[in-house]
Amino acid sequence: SQQGEEDPQALSIQEGENATMNCSYKTSINNLQWYRQNSGRGLVHLILIRSNEREKHSGRLRVTLDTSKKSSSLLITASRAADTASYFCATDGGSKLTFGKGITLSVRP
Amino acid sequence: ETGVTQTPRHLVMGMTNKKSLKCEQHLGHNAMYWYKQSAKKPLELMFVYSLEERVENNSVPSRFSPECPNSSHLFLHLHTLQPEDSALYLCASSQETGWNYGYTFGSGTRLTVV
Repeated sequence: SQQGEEDPQALSIQEGENATMNCSYKTSINNLQWYRQNSGRGLVHLILIRSNEREKHSGRLRVTLDTSKKSSSLLITASRAADTASYFCATDGGSKLTFGKGITLSVRP
Repeated sequence: ETGVTQTPRHLVMGMTNKKSLKCEQHLGHNAMYWYKQSAKKPLELMFVYSLEERVENNSVPSRFSPECPNSSHLFLHLHTLQPEDSALYLCASSQETGWNYGYTFGSGTRLTVV
């Protein structure tokens, strides 16, 4: 299965701190994507990193990809209470994306 | 608003009822998807449509019946559901199927089967 597995399952930090979330996957990929989901809502696409890319930035987000280790990390810098959400990595599998179980991030004000 | 609209937001139905979930996108995307999200489980892909043609059916029970009349609309028809079908049903769209595109999700329909 190409399903990504996020780590840790839950993370609680203080506002202003950085949050690092990891994703591992089993087989080769074309791209890896990160999504955010606020409670009871749909997922929001954050960033897509292709297999030939090693690092990508978007605002306070930094994503790295290590294809040799089959892993990716999502770093949120200077976290805010509004970053409280679940975060998912997704890997491509032909015509579809396959998602992990997600990481629950709580940012305490 | 993400550009993908799902209705209704909440639905409670009995096991003998028939109901439909609706998804509409105004993004000009050619691919649409149904996902099921249950507590403590990864998102489960149910169906994939590309230009109104079903390209994937992920071993979904026949009590779920999708319909895609055009590239902007996607339905999920429900009948004789089971309590374990209670979940958040998410619709998504992308420019095309394949690995190069991010998905845009709707806010979901929270389904409770009683």
